[in-house]
Amino acid sequence: EAGVVQSPRYKIIEKKQPVAFWCNPISGHNTLYWYLQNLGQGPELLIRYENEEAVDDSQLPKDRFSAERLKGVDSTLKIQPAELGDSAVYLCASSSRGSNTGELFFGEGSRLTVL
Amino acid sequence: AQSVSQHNHHVILSEAASLELGCNYSYGGTVNLFWYVQYPGQHLQLLLKYFSGDPLVKGIKGFEAEFIKSKFSFNLRKPSVQWSDTAEYFCAVNAQEYGNKLVFGAGTILRVKS
Repeated sequence: EAGVVQSPRYKIIEKKQPVAFWCNPISGHNTLYWYLQNLGQGPELLIRYENEEAVDDSQLPKDRFSAERLKGVDSTLKIQPAELGDSAVYLCASSSRGSNTGELFFGEGSRLTVL
Repeated sequence: AQSVSQHNHHVILSEAASLELGCNYSYGGTVNLFWYVQYPGQHLQLLLKYFSGDPLVKGIKGFEAEFIKSKFSFNLRKPSVQWSDTAEYFCAVNAQEYGNKLVFGAGTILRVKS
């Protein structure tokens, strides 16, 4: 079974540039998560989708971050414009039984460096 | 606010030493508890979990964790570590009263010397 696939693995951009990350969850998983992981810290939830509906986006900085999961399968996270403080690893995860179990399957992450 | 605390950020052990990584959480209600592990160059993966029942849970690779409700703790243990256990370990908690959002601790980097 293929795992959660994320791309790109690494991205270096200059500040004020846009950037987008893509995630393809495990087949059949209806719940998709985007997490932010800063250096030396644990992952922090940005947004959670149940199928195509964003059910928790309270931690997503909506002035510059946006996400979509149009067909309830893969998802894109966008930052526009990027700031220096956005340098981090962006993790995508999926689960098959909804958020009440906590058993998430993670991708390898997209490491963003903003110069 | 909900929070998860991991006591040590870096731990260095020799092979065959015993391991205990501390984890405390701040919720008072019903919780689900997890330990995730991230080996070098790999993705986060579930090590073990506790939902209910026996508070001593066993996971993969000889790891176990004990839920002590009165102490709000879920410490991870392994009697004898191996070099291959070198990784970063994250404690995570979700609670029904907080919409079952999974909250992670800051992680503990374990280095096992061969």
